[in-house]
Amino acid sequence: AQTVTQSQPEMSVQEAETVTLSCTYDTSENNYYLFWYKQPPSRQMILVIRQEAYKQQNATENRFSVNFQKAAKSFSLKISDSQLGDTAMYFCAFMSHYGQNFVFGPGTRLSVLP
Amino acid sequence: SAVISQKPSRDICQRGTSLTIQCQVDSQVTMMFWYRQQPGQSLTLIATANQGSEATYESGFVIDKFPISRPNLTFSTLTVSNMSPEDSSIYLCSVEGAAGGKVGTEAFFGQGTRLTVV
Repeated sequence: AQTVTQSQPEMSVQEAETVTLSCTYDTSENNYYLFWYKQPPSRQMILVIRQEAYKQQNATENRFSVNFQKAAKSFSLKISDSQLGDTAMYFCAFMSHYGQNFVFGPGTRLSVLP
Repeated sequence: SAVISQKPSRDICQRGTSLTIQCQVDSQVTMMFWYRQQPGQSLTLIATANQGSEATYESGFVIDKFPISRPNLTFSTLTVSNMSPEDSSIYLCSVEGAAGGKVGTEAFFGQGTRLTVV
């Protein structure tokens, strides 16, 4: 069974600075997908960024980028130029190529400070 | 992308009663998923609901406690039965998406139902 670990329960960052959230996972599969989801106080789960395991190039979405290290089974999220609206819970998630449901990590609560 | 409407957004219920949560999607989807998010914790999959067949439950969740209906490709309900305070959680429905045209490679979520059992 796959597992996802996020070792940082809480983090804080000053507005406009850069922060990196860590995620590691365990799987025996070669093809899979990795995700970062954001959950603000509104409870709505919002997709931040998505990575396909067979792609070596790290995914980027505006201020969000990932450092995907397949051999190390590591998938960290970097948020550049942090904004107050980035304050939320961030969940790392794994999805098998062969299944449709997600395995979520425990989450990291990020606070962006003014 | 898929737009998911989930109702109710929150409710306070007496122990021993049942609550049915509805999930409506603006497009037809094969699989719908129900998650539980206990206070301060991550999401745990309860079951997968396919249209025209019984839901598939994850370990620790049973049909008698969490009956699910899936009458068509755009709608599903989750009932939390004989509630106790331990059932106080956020319940979310989710559907598969198609990132880059590949079905099942993304997920969209409803806004969740915050349930408090007193």
